[in-house]
Amino acid sequence: DQQVKQNSPSLSVQEGRISILNCDYTNSMFDYFLWYKKYPAEGPTFLISISSIKDKNEDGRFTVFLNKSAKHLSLHIVPSQPGDSAVYFCAASEYNFNKFYFGSGTKLNVKP
Amino acid sequence: GAVVSQHPSRVICKSGTSVKIECRSLDFQATTMFWYRQFPKQSLMLMATSNEGSKATYEQGVEKDKFLINHASLTLSTLTVTSAHPEDSSFYICSARAGTSSYEQYFGPGTRLTVT
Repeated sequence: DQQVKQNSPSLSVQEGRISILNCDYTNSMFDYFLWYKKYPAEGPTFLISISSIKDKNEDGRFTVFLNKSAKHLSLHIVPSQPGDSAVYFCAASEYNFNKFYFGSGTKLNVKP
Repeated sequence: GAVVSQHPSRVICKSGTSVKIECRSLDFQATTMFWYRQFPKQSLMLMATSNEGSKATYEQGVEKDKFLINHASLTLSTLTVTSAHPEDSSFYICSARAGTSSYEQYFGPGTRLTVT
């Protein structure tokens, strides 16, 4: 049973516009959420995270929003750039970080 | 950021043979390494967690005798797929972290295993 879900396998956005990637989870014990970015032939790299005690975390063009009541988080990229084209994974962990649960990824294509 | 390498990047083997995949942390000491498996269009599924010098902890449903994990040093962990079968064909990816209670993990580029 998949505890973290990314229901959109792909997303296409025009350069300069906002990209919104969504992620849902089922386990209310999750305490920490992360977004990873993956280019072809490379491993995922950490992008941004958020603790369950917050509802927003911002880092430059990237903002993650957490809605605990809906068990939903989203990653906003604004403005989107062609170099942002990659697969984005969301992940979740309980407080001890002993195990990470990943979504299936969303492939973002930012068109010039 | 920290660098994790995996070798080989691709391997094709015949059914019944064993394959070893190496995961190395190049510029830090990894007290914990994770091994994941990814099927096409699916999520990264944790197979096992290994801490240096101790036995790996396997996730439910992962056969420890089939997927042998060794974490002999702070910079190297190996995954050996024993008596491989076509259904073992998958993308295997490792990650490493320096601390035992940190969310920061660094991923290798992955290994594509094809069993014919």
